[in-house]
Amino acid sequence: AQTVTQSQPEMSVQEAETVTLSCTYDTSESNYYLFWYKQPPSRQMILVIRQEAYKQQNATENRFSVNFQKAAKSFSLKISDSQLGDTAMYFCAFMKHDKPEIIFGKGTRLHILP
Amino acid sequence: NAGVMQNPRHLVRRRGQEARLRCSPMKGHSHVYWYRQLPEEGLKFMVYLQKENIIDESGMPKERFSAEFPKEGPSILRIQQVVRGDSAAYFCASSLYPAGFSTEAFFGQGTRLTVV
Repeated sequence: AQTVTQSQPEMSVQEAETVTLSCTYDTSESNYYLFWYKQPPSRQMILVIRQEAYKQQNATENRFSVNFQKAAKSFSLKISDSQLGDTAMYFCAFMKHDKPEIIFGKGTRLHILP
Repeated sequence: NAGVMQNPRHLVRRRGQEARLRCSPMKGHSHVYWYRQLPEEGLKFMVYLQKENIIDESGMPKERFSAEFPKEGPSILRIQQVVRGDSAAYFCASSLYPAGFSTEAFFGQGTRLTVV
């Protein structure tokens, strides 16, 4: 079975700083997808960034980028120039390529301080 | 194009009552997924439906829980004889094709069920 582990329950950083959220996962699959979702206080789940396991190049979306280390089964999220609106729960997630079920970690609560 | 709509946003039920949670997928989407989020936990997959069919219910409790996605109307998650442990946020997501890397599953804002 696949598992996703987020070892940082809560983090706080000053506005404009860079922050990295950690995520490790366990799977025997060779082809899969990884995601980071943001859940603000409104509870809406918002897809932030996604990565295909067979692509070595790290995904980037504006201020958000990932460090994907397949051998280490690590998928960290870096937020550059953090903004107050980045305050939210962040969930790392895994999906097998042949099954549309998303497996979520327990989340990291991120506070951006003014 | 409206997003995934869930109602109600909040639902309070007494133990033993039935809870009915509704999900209207995005326009044109025929794939619907239900997830449950317990306090301080990530979302857990419950069931995957395509119009009139249950594709995967491996995450659904065997008793008291059922889901449907009729040809017309919203998808319904039904919980019979609710217990305190059913208190959680229930999220619905929908996608145009089976969710994957290129096909994003869009989430609703969830229904928070409280059993008293």
